[in-house]
Amino acid sequence: AQTVTQSQPEMSVQEAETVTLSCTYDTSESDYYLFWYKQPPSRQMILVIRQEAYKQQNATENRFSVNFQKAAKSFSLKISDSQLGDAAMYFCAYRSSTGANSKLTFGKGITLSVRP
Amino acid sequence: NAGVMQNPRHLVRRRGQEARLRCSPMKGHSHVYWYRQLPEEGLKFMVYLQKENIIDESGMPKERFSAEFPKEGPSILRIQQVVRGDSAAYFCASSVLAGDSYNEQFFGPGTRLTVL
Repeated sequence: AQTVTQSQPEMSVQEAETVTLSCTYDTSESDYYLFWYKQPPSRQMILVIRQEAYKQQNATENRFSVNFQKAAKSFSLKISDSQLGDAAMYFCAYRSSTGANSKLTFGKGITLSVRP
Repeated sequence: NAGVMQNPRHLVRRRGQEARLRCSPMKGHSHVYWYRQLPEEGLKFMVYLQKENIIDESGMPKERFSAEFPKEGPSILRIQQVVRGDSAAYFCASSVLAGDSYNEQFFGPGTRLTVL
């Protein structure tokens, strides 16, 4: 079974600075997807970024980028130029690439606060 | 195009009552997933359904919980004889397809169940 670990329960960053959120995972599969989701106080789950395991290039979406280290099974999220609206819980998630295993496996999440 | 709809947003039940949570997927989506989020935890997969079929129920508790996704109408997550430990946020997600290609799961706003 796949597992996702987020060992940092909380992090804080100064507005306009850069912060990195860590995530490790365990799987025996060679092809899969990895995600970062944002959950603001409204509780709505918002997809921030995704990475296909077969792609060596790290995914980027505007101020958000990942550092995907497949051999180390590490998938960290970097938020550049942090904004007050980035304050939320962030969840790392794994999904198999085979259709029969479409479920998402989430980590416990990390609470990010942004200091003005 | 409306997003995933869940109702009610908040549901209060007394121990021993039944809870029915509804999920209307996005238009054109035929795959529905239910996840549960306990306080201070990440989302945990419960069940994956296609129209009229349960594909994966590996995350469903063996007793009191059931799910359906009829040909017409919303998907229903039913919890019989609720206990305090069922208090959680229940999220529904939908996707167009599963299969080997990436198909994003779009999340609803969740239903927060409180058992008194």
